[in-house]
Amino acid sequence: GAVVSQHPSRVICKSGTSVKIECRSLDFQATTMFWYRQFPKQSLMLMATSNEGSKATYEQGVEKDKFLINHASLTLSTLTVTSAHPEDSSFYICSASGNSGLVYNEQFFGPGTRLTVL
Amino acid sequence: GENVEQHPSTLSVQEGDSAVIKCTYSDSASNYFPWYKQELGKRPQLIIDIRSNVGEKKDQRIAVTLNKTAKHFSLHITETQPEDSAVYFCAAKGMNTGFQKLVFGTGTRLLVSP
Repeated sequence: GAVVSQHPSRVICKSGTSVKIECRSLDFQATTMFWYRQFPKQSLMLMATSNEGSKATYEQGVEKDKFLINHASLTLSTLTVTSAHPEDSSFYICSASGNSGLVYNEQFFGPGTRLTVL
Repeated sequence: GENVEQHPSTLSVQEGDSAVIKCTYSDSASNYFPWYKQELGKRPQLIIDIRSNVGEKKDQRIAVTLNKTAKHFSLHITETQPEDSAVYFCAAKGMNTGFQKLVFGTGTRLLVSP
């Protein structure tokens, strides 16, 4: 299957700082990327969907000014958590999907980023 | 929008037994149903998927069934092994959700005891 990487894998930051997480598709062009957040012992919750070259679509309840998403190229999307607070501590996972015109495009997941805000 | 429910939340079996996890979905337009296995601290791994034009699919010890009328689908694992222990998520994707958005179930923690 296709490979998606995420960086960093783990980050610890102080409250009030901003953290940027990168998601890269290594061997395919990802026209659509998804950002999920997963709290301990819970399911994956979609935060936003981004298409290359356009603004991200945020899920209800997700603050777009706090979670900045940029999908500037077909292989890179970034999520910036601005003014992070302890309640933002979570496991952030991206996934990427290519666009072959088919309906059943599989999503390929990155390895996740564990964010801890002190 | 789509809503996916998953049961049970935890499932304990003895090695060699079968395990069944069930999911229901609300959007009759959903047409793609993947199952993921997630180990602690790792990414979800696709283990099997089924499309709405198929009622059953099998891959070695893993099978998935889909009942479109009742809007439910199930994961069946036979001859379970300790390495099957993980959290399993079902998901559904529909034509009406846009951007190929997956909606995940709440997860089932499977524990296979030797």
